[in-house]
Amino acid sequence: KAGVTQTPRYLIKTRGQQVTLSCSPISGHRSVSWYQQTPGQGLQFLFEYFSETQRNKGNFPGRFSGRQFSNSRSEMNVSTLELGDSALYLCASSLATDYEQYFGPGTRLTVT
Amino acid sequence: GDSVTQMEGPVTLSEEAFLTINCTYTATGYPSLFWYVQYPGEGLQLLLKATKADDKGSNKGFEATYRKETTSFHLEKGSVQVSDSAVYFCALSSGGYQKVTFGTGTKLQVIP
Repeated sequence: KAGVTQTPRYLIKTRGQQVTLSCSPISGHRSVSWYQQTPGQGLQFLFEYFSETQRNKGNFPGRFSGRQFSNSRSEMNVSTLELGDSALYLCASSLATDYEQYFGPGTRLTVT
Repeated sequence: GDSVTQMEGPVTLSEEAFLTINCTYTATGYPSLFWYVQYPGEGLQLLLKATKADDKGSNKGFEATYRKETTSFHLEKGSVQVSDSAVYFCALSSGGYQKVTFGTGTKLQVIP
């Protein structure tokens, strides 16, 4: 069974731009969660989607948004990028029947 | 809110040494507890989990016991190998919906 895939793996953007990251969950998984990982703040929960609905949201500004499609694929968008948005963005999927999440390799975003 | 505190790293051990990484938590209710591992350049992998008090999670020689009275979930391994070098994250999930709170991570380096 294929694992969680994230595209692109690496991305360089300029301050003020926007970016869209993509996540394809494991087949059959309906829950997708997003996390931001930085050296200073560690791993922080962004949001979780299940059946195209956002069920939970972390403490991030409205510049961070996401969505989930009917095939469970998910995207997250960051608008008006700031230098502090440079991070590894991790996506995780699960069946949603328990808490076991399977993580993708992440997208490394660098904002210059 | 929920929080996880784990020992600062890096931890450097010789091969075959005993490993302990301390983890304590604060949470409402009865959370599920996890240890994740992140190898260089990769996403997180679930190492082990425990869902109720006194449960012992184990995998690949690693063990951790859910101690409700001390709110702890320390990770142990009797004999580490060079291949165990990675960053280890303690985490919890409470209140459902996949929202996971992570500790800051402990980097383990095992030298031959």
